[in-house]
Amino acid sequence: EAGVTQFPSHSVIEKGQTVTLRCDPISGHDNLYWYRRVMGKEIKFLLHFVKESKQDESGMPNNRFLAERTGGTYSTLKVQPAELEDSGVYFCASSQDRRANYGYTFGSGTRLTVV
Amino acid sequence: AQKVTQAQTEISVVEKEDVTLDCVYETRDTTYYLFWYKQPPSGELVFLIRRNSFDEQNEISGRYSWNFQKSTSSFNFTITASQVVDSAVYFCALSAMMDSSYKLIFGSGTRLLVRP
Repeated sequence: EAGVTQFPSHSVIEKGQTVTLRCDPISGHDNLYWYRRVMGKEIKFLLHFVKESKQDESGMPNNRFLAERTGGTYSTLKVQPAELEDSGVYFCASSQDRRANYGYTFGSGTRLTVV
Repeated sequence: AQKVTQAQTEISVVEKEDVTLDCVYETRDTTYYLFWYKQPPSGELVFLIRRNSFDEQNEISGRYSWNFQKSTSSFNFTITASQVVDSAVYFCALSAMMDSSYKLIFGSGTRLLVRP
């Protein structure tokens, strides 16, 4: 089966611009997660979708971040306007069930650099 | 608390040495999963192992082995006869309930440098 796909793999934008990251989960996985790793720090949870609904968005840093998952398929994460501290690697993961009894599958990540 | 601690920020070894990466966790859940992921320089997260809290058997996969000790809340990872290609950041993670959903809680990672 195809894995979790993220694009772009890299993005360099100027402070104040808008960037949209996309994640295509494994087909049939209702649960989709966004995580990010800011340089040198731990990987932190951003939010969790179950199908098209936001189950938990407690990790979203502020209202400059907007995540959507239209139709319960792919998801987008928009950062508008981007700030320097948003630089990092954004990972998407999907799982078959909420408890992740079958594990989480991560995408390759999007490396975002805000200059 | 739901927390993972990887006290070793960076480890440097010479090729062929054995190296152990420590992971200590805290959880209030009685059932949970523990994971190890590898992040090579290319940036992706590579799944290494998932362990159910009910299964305390140690596991070996080639040069990799994992020691799960529930009594000390530790899930340590050993690489035997390390190779340069093992150089990466390694993350230990706990799957636990926090803020209304199950999610992965990561440690801060251990950067392993294997020198030729």
